[in-house]
Amino acid sequence: QVQLQESGPGLVKPSETLSLTCTVSGGSVSTVNFYWSWIRQPPGKGLEWIGFISNTGSTYYSPSLKTRVTISVDTSKNEFSLRLSSVTAADTAVYYCARESPVSLAEDWGQGTLVTVSS
Amino acid sequence: QSVLTQPPSVSAAPGQKVTISCSGSSSNIANNFVSWYQQFPGTAPKLLIYENRKRPSGIPDRFSASKSGTSATLGITGLQTGDEADYYCGTWDSSLSAGVFGPGTKVTVL
Repeated sequence: QVQLQESGPGLVKPSETLSLTCTVSGGSVSTVNFYWSWIRQPPGKGLEWIGFISNTGSTYYSPSLKTRVTISVDTSKNEFSLRLSSVTAADTAVYYCARESPVSLAEDWGQGTLVTVSS
Repeated sequence: QSVLTQPPSVSAAPGQKVTISCSGSSSNIANNFVSWYQQFPGTAPKLLIYENRKRPSGIPDRFSASKSGTSATLGITGLQTGDEADYYCGTWDSSLSAGVFGPGTKVTVL
């Protein structure tokens, strides 16, 4: 079974850019018919889908975050990344990376990493 | 504001059954696969159901799901205290071209 692990700063200042990386093991980000996604969960709230990147590099983003989000993939390192610009306190959340497929929004999940936006 | 609707909470006694509804529209549930997730406090969600009604290996058959039109339902039979968790439905929304989750339902075992 594929394993995913998020990494990145736990504290980001307002107006700056949040950057996280997800390292994939037990599988390849180049595998056809799997999509590599980011999902977040503000403290005490529900899940919010951020977006995904496919093995071909196609990306889909949440309409509410589209102007600030970039998801990229590095096949040589078998990892994918999230960048969220111009963050505010509302972006404080546990950020999960996950593997999606055509039959499931998210099959496998990372453990999650808390990112706090604060000066 | 989610495009999917779930009841905030459901409860039942041990051994009983609960059902959790997930209501959407023709742009999401009606024409895309639904998946269900279980989340305990402080942990990542876990896939319970995929492709509307299929269970990954290791998920007990006490968990079942169905879909009809613009709604999906998760059922848990033989309720156990260990089933107390938050449950989320999720699917693709073709109009938004984005994934969507329901707001979540907290299951309480009385």
